[in-house]
Amino acid sequence: DTGVSQDPRHKITKRGQNVTFRCDPISEHNRLYWYRQTLGQGPEFLTYFQNEAQLEKSRLLSDRFSAERPKGSFSTLEIQRTEQGDSAMYLCASSSNGLAGGSYEQYFGPGTRLTVT
Amino acid sequence: AQTVTQSQPEMSVQEAETVTLSCTYDTSESDYYLFWYKQPPSRQMILVIRQEAYKQQNATENRFSVNFQKAAKSFSLKISDSQLGDAAMYFCAYNGEIQGAQKLVFGQGTRLTINP
Repeated sequence: DTGVSQDPRHKITKRGQNVTFRCDPISEHNRLYWYRQTLGQGPEFLTYFQNEAQLEKSRLLSDRFSAERPKGSFSTLEIQRTEQGDSAMYLCASSSNGLAGGSYEQYFGPGTRLTVT
Repeated sequence: AQTVTQSQPEMSVQEAETVTLSCTYDTSESDYYLFWYKQPPSRQMILVIRQEAYKQQNATENRFSVNFQKAAKSFSLKISDSQLGDAAMYFCAYNGEIQGAQKLVFGQGTRLTINP
């Protein structure tokens, strides 16, 4: 178990550019979550996958945001036409569905810190 | 919608003493989970302790324990024998048991400082 990993750890981009982040969950976890955390605040939910299906999207996830989990393993979060307000830490978490004795707790990755200049 | 409130933006405690962090939440659900997460500076979020709402017994994990008051919708974290490594942001989080909606709702966090 190598834990949840995210890449890149830091990203600096100019306003208007597109960025893509990757999350690799714990291998046996079928649920994957994206959260956004701004400085001094708690994380806010963005979206959630069970296997490859995206089951819920927050209203925070504007049309410029898209997330995928094509094979039910890793996930990508893309932000198009970035704005300064997109500057934040983007956290990924994974969990099992709590069945078959699996733990339902969410385990977090180290995050990707995005700075839009 | 569920909300989680942490009314103490900052707390400090002397090393080896005990500190209690407060959390209240609002929900209309009867069954749910509550968590405390720790986020050290520039490091990732770590689960500290969890509580299932249907369990009356308060959860305990070594030096960490909770006081869960379901009727009052209160969920405080007690850290005993505080250590320097306990310094971090602490987040209270709610997870409703609604099928297909397992997102965590976080409070604003409490920054805990440990004084040597």
